[in-house]
Amino acid sequence: GENVEQHPSTLSVQEGDSAVIKCTYSDSASNYFPWYKQELGKRPQLIIDIRSNVGEKKDQRIAVTLNKTAKHFSLHITETQPEDSAVYFCAAIWTGNQFYFGTGTSLTVIP
Amino acid sequence: DTEVTQTPKHLVMGMTNKKSLKCEQHMGHRAMYWYKQKAKKPPELMFVYSYEKLSINESVPSRFSPECPNSSLLNLHLHALQPEDSALYLCASSQDGTGIYFGEGSWLTVV
Repeated sequence: GENVEQHPSTLSVQEGDSAVIKCTYSDSASNYFPWYKQELGKRPQLIIDIRSNVGEKKDQRIAVTLNKTAKHFSLHITETQPEDSAVYFCAAIWTGNQFYFGTGTSLTVIP
Repeated sequence: DTEVTQTPKHLVMGMTNKKSLKCEQHMGHRAMYWYKQKAKKPPELMFVYSYEKLSINESVPSRFSPECPNSSLLNLHLHALQPEDSALYLCASSQDGTGIYFGEGSWLTVV
């Protein structure tokens, strides 16, 4: 499959601090980059996405930025809360509706 | 509401059994997917159906056989599985070029 690199693999932050997760993708990825949150024992859920004609998108405490030149996009969570603790996956889409996921980031928010 | 339903939620099968996983979506999405997810790993793409035709097979062993009876239904037929095939199997759907939405998954154990 196609390659999406994700860093860091684990991240611990104090409640109220910000968390940033970064992904890079290989050539020829399409124009759509979603982020998913997966809580233990549950399905991945789409939390925010961005298209290549937009540099940044924000939804309350979460935001995603995209740098197409550098082929990377990032998830920013501000004012983190314990319920933000989960595994986060970035994804990218290639021709033929092929969605590939990054390796995941396990986020722990310490109360 | 974005809803993809999967049955069964849990399945235990022997290595000589034949079983099927089922998936249904009523969002009018034209692409449907099977992913396999092992613990602490990202979802791994297995198959993609676009407009009811198999468009992507990620070199999945023939003991997994997908079927798309119509635009709303997707099955995964299982035969002669190995213990290492035990995993969470996720069905998903998407509209062309947008985020995919996952079902709750089927937890498969091969004994």
